Amino acid sequence: EPEVTQTPSHQVTQMGQEVILRCVPISNHLYFYWYRQILGQKVEFLVSFYNNEISEKSEIFDDQFSVERPDGSNFTLKIRSTKLEDSAMYFCASSLLPTGSEAFFGQGTRLTVV
Amino acid sequence: DQQVKQNSPSLSVQEGRISILNCDYTNSMFDYFLWYKKYPAEGPTFLISISSIKDKNEDGRFTVFLNKSAKHLSLHIVPSQPGDSAVYFCAASDGSGTYKYIFGTGTRLKVLA
Repeated sequence: EPEVTQTPSHQVTQMGQEVILRCVPISNHLYFYWYRQILGQKVEFLVSFYNNEISEKSEIFDDQFSVERPDGSNFTLKIRSTKLEDSAMYFCASSLLPTGSEAFFGQGTRLTVV
Repeated sequence: DQQVKQNSPSLSVQEGRISILNCDYTNSMFDYFLWYKKYPAEGPTFLISISSIKDKNEDGRFTVFLNKSAKHLSLHIVPSQPGDSAVYFCAASDGSGTYKYIFGTGTRLKVLA
């Protein structure tokens, strides 16, 4: 069964460093998302991406964040200068349609900023 | 602004009985609803969905009911099994051109053997 894969599963980084989280969405999906979940809190929307551009972003997704689809398969989230409060589980998701269809999630990357 | 609310943070049910998880929403533009199951340190796993044109959708042990006038949906699991123990999130999207799913805060279900 097709699945969304994310690497790495766990990333530890020093405050102020740049990190890149990687995702391979389901191959025939057209819409891609990043969400995050701070420990014990709800799953929060960060950004959606379609046709090589951002479709929508939340207020969390400030200038420190960027997304890219560098080739036909990968979808990346970059945090330019990490802060302690960026520590969270980051989930990539993809869907065939923007609404009215299921989004499938990867297993997540646990980002720990120290 | 909490557009999708799950007011019960936790629920315990005996194995074999019915589990009912509830979700309320405030945005009348929401037209598609999903339930996800999540284990610790894993991504949400899609369970079942329902479009606003329906009031019920069934898939095996899982049934989702939608009451549009009350802006309420529920997930029924019958019979509940210990493997169902997880956090359940409801999520919603609207068809008005937004490109995101809004998640509720989750309900932790514990099925007791």
